[in-house]
Amino acid sequence: DAKTTQPNSMESNEEEPVHLPCNHSTISGTDYIHWYRQLPSQGPEYVIHGLTSNVNNRMASLAIAEDRKSSTLILHRATLRDAAVYYCILIIQGAQKLVFGQGTRLTINP
Amino acid sequence: AAGVIQSPRHLIKEKRETATLKCYPIPRHDTVYWYQQGPGQDPQFLISFYEKMQSDKGSIPDRFSAQQFSDYHSELNMSSLELGDSALYFCASRAGPRSGNTIYFGEGSWLTVV
Repeated sequence: DAKTTQPNSMESNEEEPVHLPCNHSTISGTDYIHWYRQLPSQGPEYVIHGLTSNVNNRMASLAIAEDRKSSTLILHRATLRDAAVYYCILIIQGAQKLVFGQGTRLTINP
Repeated sequence: AAGVIQSPRHLIKEKRETATLKCYPIPRHDTVYWYQQGPGQDPQFLISFYEKMQSDKGSIPDRFSAQQFSDYHSELNMSSLELGDSALYFCASRAGPRSGNTIYFGEGSWLTVV
């Protein structure tokens, strides 16, 4: 599985946008970029995924660099409930598992 | 909407005992995964099943075994428990390998070995 690099932790304020970066310089053409998050004492939760184009859903937006070697998860207006560990994961379409690396622990200040 | 159901939610066992965790995937999901997450650690993949057959294997100890049944629920059996097996065990499911990559996780089963 291709490797991703994320900052260990980030901090933001409530109601402000949050940009969570992920580097994946060894990404291959068939790797999808997935984001999951894990709230305290809960199972990981799907956030968003994309291949080449930017993606939006009700939870977040995913901005993918043109060379696909990096991506950014954007929370447009953070709430206290967004405090979690965010994982950026690369997987091939149809792959059988998620491999979690070290995610980013996001702290939201009131 | 129905989610992945795990039982029991909490389990306390003594060393060398046996424990069984159960997982009921989302209806019509035929792929099940098991993950282990130790304190302060990231989830580690243990094993997965597709259509009742083992499809992939990760860092699952030989003392552990798992299977998926005809109704697609899965059980993780852990024998000769060790203190280091204390962890949160997650089950996850997906609607087959060709229906997208979104994997849905359960709330987890807390295993404490004393």
